[in-house]
Amino acid sequence: GENVEQHPSTLSVQEGDSAVIKCTYSDSASNYFPWYKQELGKGPQLIIDIRSNVGEKKDQRIAVTLNKTAKHFSLHITETQPEDSAVYFCAASITGYSTLTFGKGTMLLVSP
Amino acid sequence: NAGVMQNPRHLVRRRGQEARLRCSPMKGHSHVYWYRQLPEEGLKFMVYLQKENIIDESGMPKERFSAEFPKEGPSILRIQQVVRGDSAAYFCASSLYSGGTNTGELFFGEGSRLTVL
Repeated sequence: GENVEQHPSTLSVQEGDSAVIKCTYSDSASNYFPWYKQELGKGPQLIIDIRSNVGEKKDQRIAVTLNKTAKHFSLHITETQPEDSAVYFCAASITGYSTLTFGKGTMLLVSP
Repeated sequence: NAGVMQNPRHLVRRRGQEARLRCSPMKGHSHVYWYRQLPEEGLKFMVYLQKENIIDESGMPKERFSAEFPKEGPSILRIQQVVRGDSAAYFCASSLYSGGTNTGELFFGEGSRLTVL
């Protein structure tokens, strides 16, 4: 089955800096890669996703890149704000075939 | 415009009791997933259901755990004879089936936090 590795497990940045979280996956057939943000005591919220037919996707301050050859994908957050502080999870699946497999999460702390 | 609704949000049980967690998917969604999250860990897949049908239960423990998604009403995750190791947050998610394909986009509820004393 699919295995997703996520790094780093914790990340501390100053407000305004950029943050990058990286994930690798094992199953070359995976074609859907979402990122979720989970605030304390809440459920995960989908913030951005990318499918294997594109290499990059951007939505305001967040962007995701995908390297299918290397089987890794990354989340980039620019101009970080304290409200970006949360746990971020990457995941991978084969659309219509398999369920999402999640990484172990990255706790992002943005200091004012 | 309700999202995925889970209840109860918090549940306390003593060892040996039963826990029942309920999940109503987003309007128009016909697929439901249950995930378990242990403290400071990621989300572990448990089971994937359609109405009246279990699609994939490869993540479910073989004993004491069961799930259903009846034709009418919410999906239910049932844990019999709970043990302390069952203490965790249980998240339900739903997805849309469109054009003959599950889109794969999961929308999560706020979770049910089970504490076993």
